Parts: sequence; C-alpha cells; structure tokens
Amino acid sequence: ILNVEQSPQSLHVQEGDSTNFTCSFPSSNFYALHWYRWETAKSPEALFVMTLNGDEKKKGRISATLNTKEGYSYLYIKGSQPEDSATYLCAFMRGAQKLVFGQGTRLTINP
Amino acid sequence: DGGITQSPKYLFRKEGQNVTLSCEQNLNHDAMYWYRQDPGQGLRLIYYSQIVNDFQKGDIAEGYSVSREKKESFPLTVTSAQKNPTAFYLCASMLGGGTEAFFGQGTRLTVV
Repeated sequence: ILNVEQSPQSLHVQEGDSTNFTCSFPSSNFYALHWYRWETAKSPEALFVMTLNGDEKKKGRISATLNTKEGYSYLYIKGSQPEDSATYLCAFMRGAQKLVFGQGTRLTINP
Repeated sequence: DGGITQSPKYLFRKEGQNVTLSCEQNLNHDAMYWYRQDPGQGLRLIYYSQIVNDFQKGDIAEGYSVSREKKESFPLTVTSAQKNPTAFYLCASMLGGGTEAFFGQGTRLTVV
C-alpha cells in the first residue's frame, strides 16, 4: 500500500443496524492514524487519533481499532442513527508531519 | 473563540489570474495544511508547514505557492500555472503529530 485507501466508497445502512468500514495505509514510517467525520456544509471534525498498534478508541456508539503492523484501521458504528450520515475520512500521518487522507466512505442511514 | 478561518467562502477568478486564499488560525498551532477536493474525490495535500518560514510540497503542489511568515497565517496562491484550479480548498492546523487537526470552512474557487 502506497497511499491511504478506504472501503467501501459509499454505504447505505438501515437505521438501527451496525456497520463498519476500513482504512488501509502504508505500514512504514507510521506516526498516527486519524479518523474524521465530515457532515455536509460543515468542516471535518476529529473522531479519533490513534498512535499505538492495538489501540482501540471509543466515543459513544463509534469505535475504532488500529493495526500498524499490517496497515489497517476499522471504524465501527453501532446502532446507526440518521445523524450518523456523513463522510468518514481516515488520514495517515507519515513521520509526524505529512497528513494524507483517504477518499472517504460516504455513509447514508435510511430511516 | 479559537479557531481557523478561511476567506472568502466563494471566489471567482478569470483564467490566467493568480489568486490568494487566506487561512488564519488563533489556536497557536505549529502545523498548517492546505488540501484540495474535487467532485467525487478525497482531500489531496497541496502544501504543509510545521514552523514559520518553512514549508514542504504535498502530493499536488504544481501550480501553487505558499508562505508562512507568521505562525497564525498560511496563505495559498493559486497561480496561472495550475491547469485545473476550480475546486474546493480546505485549510487545517494541528498542534502536533499526535493530535487532531482542525479545519476551516473552506473556499470554493471557480475559474472562468
């Protein structure tokens, strides 16, 4: 992996269902992995910043895991709500300076 | 209130003109970044700066220039050499590598 890749690109989920998506990143020169939520007409807002292999972070119904050795992170949303509809971005920090984003996963929650 | 401000929100320019996008932060952050977003694509890194008077090219720096004369300010100039300047531009700042980035509201540039 040379760049940051997110999958899927878009996702439609029924309200109340749980979902997850993936961020893959280069495993070399790792410094940190960021997750952001970007709602329409707003600025991206941070969900998590993870720096250690095996890190697991949780904020309400949203959680994330990190595997730096194999270069991936998962974001989980439990019991999706309409307000979870947004684009979820992950960003790889290379060497404490360069912050590179993936293309994002656009999540739509169907009521 | 502390934050990061981009101006203007919308900008129209004629082809062949240089244009400068403003980004100011009062968060006392060392690092600042410029990204570009095109329809259906993610954020692509144009330039970034870790300290005053120093900056590095990102992945798509051609046709752009920046300066970092003050810690609070990181203006981006879109030059006439940029072949497809019409896009949404987003500025971000960060205290350090292991902390979250904060974003401005963005500037939508349209070149006609």
